[in-house]
Amino acid sequence: ETGVTQTPRHLVMGMTNKKSLKCEQHLGHNAMYWYKQSAKKPLELMFVYNFKEQTENNSVPSRFSPECPNSSHLFLHLHTLQPEDSALYLCASSQDQDVEGNTGELFFGEGSRLTVL
Amino acid sequence: GIQVEQSPPDLILQEGANSTLRCNFSDSVNNLQWFHQNPWGQLINLFYIPSGTKQNGRLSATTVATERYSLLYISSSQTTDSGVYFCAVEPRAGNNRKLIWGLGTSLAVNP
Repeated sequence: ETGVTQTPRHLVMGMTNKKSLKCEQHLGHNAMYWYKQSAKKPLELMFVYNFKEQTENNSVPSRFSPECPNSSHLFLHLHTLQPEDSALYLCASSQDQDVEGNTGELFFGEGSRLTVL
Repeated sequence: GIQVEQSPPDLILQEGANSTLRCNFSDSVNNLQWFHQNPWGQLINLFYIPSGTKQNGRLSATTVATERYSLLYISSSQTTDSGVYFCAVEPRAGNNRKLIWGLGTSLAVNP
C-alpha cells in the first residue's frame, strides 16, 4: 500500500469509446503525475499538476485530457484512442518543496493497464 | 538532454546471492531515485539519494554525484526481489520536476 490508489486496474476500450482513469492520493502531497509505460521504453511523463496547477504537458495528444479537481484527485479522460495508446498508465504523487522546487520522493499507484482495440 | 544508462539490462541470480546494479548519468542532477517494479506493475520507491549512501535492510544505495553514477546493492537476494529496477534523475539544468528514467535492470531471482 503506497497511499496512491488507481482505478480501474484494467480497461479495454474501442477506439470510439470515452473512458476515464482515476487516481487518488492519501499522502497529503502537493504534486500529482500521469506517466505512460510502454514495453521497452523509458517511463514517459505525460502531465504534472503542482498545487493543482498543470505545470507540465509533454506534447501529449489531445485525445488524453487530464483533470485535477483538488490536490488529492487526478483524472485522465480518454477519447478516440489509438491501438498504440495501449500501455500501463501510472499515477504518482510527491511532496515538492515549492512550485519550482525539486521533485520529491515519488509514490506510485498500481497502474491502469489499458488495451485499445 | 541528459542520458541515463542502467546496467546490466538483465540479471539472473540464485537465491542468497548478492548483486550490484549501476546507473550512469551524463550531466549534473538535483536528485536521483531508485525504484523497484514488481511483476504486477507496482512501482515502489526504494531510495531518494542525490548523494551519499543509504541502507534499508538488505538494500543499500550509493550515489557519487561528482562522478555521475549510482549503485544499488542487493544482498542475500530473495525471490521477492525479482522485477525491474529503475533509476530516475532530475537534471540540474532545464525544466524541474521532469525525471529522466533509465530503461531498467530486469532481475530474476531463482529459488
